Amino acid sequence: QVQLQESGPGLVKPSQTLSLTCTVSGGSITSGGYYWNWIRQHPGKGLEWMGYTYSTGNSYYNPSLKSRVTISVDTSKNQFSVNLSSVSAADTAVYYCARSGYYDNHVFDMWGQGTMVTVSS
Amino acid sequence: SSEVTQPLSVSVALGQTARITCEGDNIGSKDVHWYQQKTGQAPVLVIYRDTHRPSGIPERFSGSNSGNTATLTISRAQAGDEADYYCQVWGSNTVIFGGGTKLTVL
Repeated sequence: QVQLQESGPGLVKPSQTLSLTCTVSGGSITSGGYYWNWIRQHPGKGLEWMGYTYSTGNSYYNPSLKSRVTISVDTSKNQFSVNLSSVSAADTAVYYCARSGYYDNHVFDMWGQGTMVTVSS
Repeated sequence: SSEVTQPLSVSVALGQTARITCEGDNIGSKDVHWYQQKTGQAPVLVIYRDTHRPSGIPERFSGSNSGNTATLTISRAQAGDEADYYCQVWGSNTVIFGGGTKLTVL
């Protein structure tokens, strides 16, 4: 059973870069042709898709975040990561990593438990 | 418009049928997916491609999609179905989530 687990700092200062990693266990990140996504949820709000990466390293981003977000994969560690630059308080959210591609390219069938990131000085 | 709209809240009596809508311009031409999110937990996929249930999801959960409205139907509602429900589509070259609907089971 594939499992996803987010990790990274819970507190980031304004204007800095937020960096999180998702570790995939129970299966290889290179098998199955899956897409590896980041999704965030602002406190008390809905879900916002940030983008995905593929095991080849190709990535695709939400146009609204494209100028600030980078998603990458490290197949040797079975991990993928997100970097979000120039953060502000508006980036305070729970960040989830999720898998898609099993039922459909944009259907998220497996999720990490989420990690809360606060942007504050 | 690429937006999808959900009611903020829906209430249902225990054992009755709840219907949660997701409205968007010609949404019937898109694949709609639904997620359940209980308090403090990650979302869980309950319906994909309008009508399909992932393994492990009870048959009480069903979906439909036509015209400008997609609907998630929960039959024989249980206390454990209390959660936020989100619809999701692909549109305008991005993933779009609805704002979410809080389901209360009375």
